[in-house]
Amino acid sequence: EPEVTQTPSHQVTQMGQEVILRCVPISNHLYFYWYRQILGQKVEFLVSFYNNEISEKSEIFDDQFSVERPDGSNFTLKIRSTKLEDSAMYFCASRRKGQGTDTQYFGPGTRLTVL
Amino acid sequence: DQQVKQNSPSLSVQEGRISILNCDYTNSMFDYFLWYKKYPAEGPTFLISISSIKDKNEDGRFTVFLNKSAKHLSLHIVPSQPGDSAVYFCAASAGGTSGSRLTFGEGTQLTVNP
Repeated sequence: EPEVTQTPSHQVTQMGQEVILRCVPISNHLYFYWYRQILGQKVEFLVSFYNNEISEKSEIFDDQFSVERPDGSNFTLKIRSTKLEDSAMYFCASRRKGQGTDTQYFGPGTRLTVL
Repeated sequence: DQQVKQNSPSLSVQEGRISILNCDYTNSMFDYFLWYKKYPAEGPTFLISISSIKDKNEDGRFTVFLNKSAKHLSLHIVPSQPGDSAVYFCAASAGGTSGSRLTFGEGTQLTVNP
């Protein structure tokens, strides 16, 4: 069964450094998402991406964040200058396009630790 | 953001009995609802969903009920098994928006005792 994959599983970085989190969505999916979960809090939406552009973003997704689909398979989230409060689990998700295809499938997550 | 709320942080049931997990929402624009199961250090795994045009959807041991007038949904697991022990998240989306972001509840930790 196809699944969303994410790398790395755990990333440790120093405050102020740039990080890139990588995701490979399910191959016939056209919508891509990033969510995060800070320890002890809800899973929060960050951004959605369709047709090579951002379709929606939350208030969390400020200028320090960017997303890209550099090739036909990868979907990346970049944090330019990490802060302590960026420490969280980051989940990538994808879904197909079309009626009755609202289900998003999630990857295993990347644990980001900012020191 | 309290648009989706799961009021019970934990639930404990005996193996073979029914587990009922509850979820309330406030946003009338939500028209698609999902339940995800999550183990520690893993991503949410899709379980079952329901569109707002239905009031019940069943898949094996899992049934989701939607009461639109009460803005309430519930997940029934019958019979419960020890392997069902996990955190269960309710999520909702408003399909009219282009991105269909999911709004999650806080999660309920289900423990099924042998």
